[in-house]
Amino acid sequence: QVQLQESGPGLVKPSETLSLTCTVSGSSISGYYWSWIRQPPGKGLEWIAYIYYSGSTDYNPSLKSRVTISVETSKNQFSLRLSSVTAADTAVYYCARGNPVIPDYWGQGTLVTVSS
Amino acid sequence: QTVVTQEPSFSVSPGGTVTLTCGLNSGSVSSNYYPGWYQQTPGQAPRTLVYNTNTRSSGVPDRFSGSILGNKAALTITGAQADDESDYYCVMYMGSGTYVFGTGTKVTVL
Repeated sequence: QVQLQESGPGLVKPSETLSLTCTVSGSSISGYYWSWIRQPPGKGLEWIAYIYYSGSTDYNPSLKSRVTISVETSKNQFSLRLSSVTAADTAVYYCARGNPVIPDYWGQGTLVTVSS
Repeated sequence: QTVVTQEPSFSVSPGGTVTLTCGLNSGSVSSNYYPGWYQQTPGQAPRTLVYNTNTRSSGVPDRFSGSILGNKAALTITGAQADDESDYYCVMYMGSGTYVFGTGTKVTVL
């Protein structure tokens, strides 16, 4: 059974960098696209970025200048870094596997709050 | 910038049928976008219902069906049940692992 689990700080100060890791079990990292998706409280879903197991990436144009995504295949993990955060970056952050036409398996999500 | 638009809300009676739609600001939705649909209840991660326009995900009841209607993607719930009361999101595959989500529809069953 494919499972994804997000981990990282739940509170980040404004202007600092948000860092999250997704640990994948039940599926190899190889052969899939791995995405980060977020959902501000009470709002809709926003795709942030993907990384392919080979290391190729793409980003939502609205976030591209602040986002870095990386993969560590030996640990079956991939990670997100979002710099210069503001209150507008407060959201539940999900990691997900792309099959590739749809993110099919999702983590449970982790709430990250940006506040001093 | 690509915007994917859904109806903000729908109300359906128990046992009734409702069709949600998903449109693109840049033109018509086709199967080339591999439209998919999720169901989300409060505090939970989205659950995949349909992908590749009309393929139901494993374990999804056949009262959920996906299609292309005119120039939009559509999700039809036939014989709505109380536990279908949720938020529904569509997603479009833009190629090379990238996606755009719809604005979401809140479905009330009453």
